[in-house]
Amino acid sequence: KQEVTQIPAALSVPEGENLVLNCSFTDSAIYNLQWFRQDPGKGLTSLLLIQSSQREQTSGRLNASLDKSSGRSTLYIAASQPGDSATYLCAVVSGGYQKVTFGTGTKLQVIP
Amino acid sequence: EPEVTQTPSHQVTQMGQEVILRCVPISNHLYFYWYRQILGQKVEFLVSFYNNEISEKSEIFDDQFSVERPDGSNFTLKIRSTKLEDSAMYFCASSVVKSAFFGQGTRLTVV
Repeated sequence: KQEVTQIPAALSVPEGENLVLNCSFTDSAIYNLQWFRQDPGKGLTSLLLIQSSQREQTSGRLNASLDKSSGRSTLYIAASQPGDSATYLCAVVSGGYQKVTFGTGTKLQVIP
Repeated sequence: EPEVTQTPSHQVTQMGQEVILRCVPISNHLYFYWYRQILGQKVEFLVSFYNNEISEKSEIFDDQFSVERPDGSNFTLKIRSTKLEDSAMYFCASSVVKSAFFGQGTRLTVV
C-alpha cells in the first residue's frame, strides 16, 4: 500500500527566505508525482507535475525534484513571499488504476 | 485548457438526507475518481471508476456511497442518509495517460 509522508508538517519563515519542502513515498513504482497548493477551505491548485522518467521540473520560483529509487521528492521555493502562505501537498500516481495518494501536507507561513 | 467541473461548489443538507455530487470529467479521460478531505485532514481516496464499473474503493466507501456515470459525460457521487461526519470537501478527478486532473471540489456541510 502506497504511503506518502511530508516533512515538516508546518513551517514558518521570514519573507525572502529560500525553503525546501520534503515528500517521501513507500512504493517507488510510481507513474508521476505532483505538487499542489491548497489555500484554507479551497480546492487544489496544481503547481508542478514530474513524470517518473524525469528528475525535476521548474515553474517560476518553484523547482521540484524527484528521486524515484529512493522514494523522495523536494519542492524548492525561492525568495518566498507572503502570498506563498498555504498548505503544500505532494501526491503520487501509482497502481493499476492510476490512483492518486496524497501526503499529509506542509502548512507554510511566510511572515512579511 | 480542459478542466474537471464540479457542481455545486457548496451544499448544505440535513442529516439523514440523500445528496448527489456532480462532476463533469475531461472528455477523453478514461479513469474517474472521488476523494474526500475532512476539514484539517488529508485528502483521502474514496473510489476509482473505469470502464463503467468500480475498479477500486477504500474502506470509507461503504454501502452509504455509490457512483454512477449516467450519460457518458457526468460522473456522480451519491451519499445516502448523510451523517454529520460526512461533512467534508469532495474532489472529483479524471485521468488519462497517468496524469490526474482535479476539480475545485464540493464542500458538503451536513447539519
